[in-house]
Amino acid sequence: DAGVIQSPRHEVTEMGQEVTLRCKPISGHNSLFWYRQTMMRGLELLIYFNNNVPIDDSGMPEDRFSAKMPNASFSTLKIQPSEPRDSAVYFCASSLRVSGLTYEQYFGPGTRLTVT
Amino acid sequence: EDQVTQSPEALRLQEGESSSLNCSYTVSGLRGLFWYRQDPGKGPEFLFTLYSAGEEKEKERLKATLTKKESFLHITAPKPEDSATYLCAVPVMGSARQLTFGSGTQLTVLP
Repeated sequence: DAGVIQSPRHEVTEMGQEVTLRCKPISGHNSLFWYRQTMMRGLELLIYFNNNVPIDDSGMPEDRFSAKMPNASFSTLKIQPSEPRDSAVYFCASSLRVSGLTYEQYFGPGTRLTVT
Repeated sequence: EDQVTQSPEALRLQEGESSSLNCSYTVSGLRGLFWYRQDPGKGPEFLFTLYSAGEEKEKERLKATLTKKESFLHITAPKPEDSATYLCAVPVMGSARQLTFGSGTQLTVLP
């Protein structure tokens, strides 16, 4: 299995530009998570989907952030317009939940975003 | 309110010097505790899931244990390649899918 795939791995953009991060979860997984990691705040959950439906987006910092999951094998996280404080590493993770217990999440390699 | 706290923040060991990392949690009705390893520039890599007090799991030089209030990650005779940040996570109260992560322990094993 290729694991969770993210693209691009690195993104450098200027303030005000639109940024789109992409994620392909592990085949067969039914939950997908977007995280942001910074030195100051650690790993923070932004939004997660279950069976392609957004369940909780309370972690999305502002309306400038949006996420979609049009099908089971693809998700995007968009920032429009971007700001320097959005600079961070963004991770996508996926998991398979059958019932009851919480299952482990598998993370992608991350996208390092730098907004100048 | 923090639900998971890790200590120490950083730990430096000599190769072969065994030690333990701590993860304490305040969630009631624990539905799993997860350990991850994160190398610089990479995503967290899943290590273990523990579901009940008394449970133990092992992988190479690592052993994770769980009590009703905390989990330990024991590292026996560590090698330099064990150097990484170790994160623990627990499910968010009221959610079966969301995890809240600790701030991690940065482990350095010196040759």
